[in-house]
Amino acid sequence: EVQLVESGGGLAQPGWSLRLSCAASGFTFSSYEMTWVRQAPGKGLEWISYIKNTGSTTYYADSVRGRFTISRDNAKNALYLQMNSVRAEDTAVYFCARGGEDGSYTRYWGQGTLVTVSS
Amino acid sequence: DIVMTQSPDSLAVSLGERATFNCRSSQSVLSRSNNKNYVAWYQQKSGQSPKLLIYWASTRESGVPDRFSGSGSGTDFTLTISSLQPEDVAVYYCQQYYSTLYTFGQGTKLEIK
Repeated sequence: EVQLVESGGGLAQPGWSLRLSCAASGFTFSSYEMTWVRQAPGKGLEWISYIKNTGSTTYYADSVRGRFTISRDNAKNALYLQMNSVRAEDTAVYFCARGGEDGSYTRYWGQGTLVTVSS
Repeated sequence: DIVMTQSPDSLAVSLGERATFNCRSSQSVLSRSNNKNYVAWYQQKSGQSPKLLIYWASTRESGVPDRFSGSGSGTDFTLTISSLQPEDVAVYYCQQYYSTLYTFGQGTKLEIK
């Protein structure tokens, strides 16, 4: 069974840094691209970052480029999101997600971790 | 960036009736190399993570009831629920994965009339 379990969320002040983690199990982690998607309270889904299975290629939404960094450790079956200089508008539930076998749609989602940015 | 625009923002349908969701992309998401449309549809029930329903615009995910179907090509796409059930109350999102920024539509909220 595929499982994606996020951790690292919590309360942060504007300008702080946070590191989110996603523990993956139930599949060959090194074979799949991964993404982070967030959802602000009461709002829709926002795709924010992608990483290729090898870690060699990454993409970011304009809203987080230059502040957030996606990375992975295939030996540990782990995905990360380093969040620097967080802002109030980064307040959201952050979902870790796995791509499909034949395309970049999202087949599996974690349960999400809440990040609240407030002074 | 490719902008995905969904309509309507909300929808109220009677049980057993058809529900239709629309999604338009700001540019074509049809690949000429493989003739596939890079669109997926997700269902998100209150308090839950999203769930994949449809990918490649019309391929139903395993385990998804056959009352759900996807259609369309190029820039215009549709998700249809043929006979609405109570458990279908949710927000539905389309997403394109054609470009490198995999944008979502704003969502359509489905309620029972």
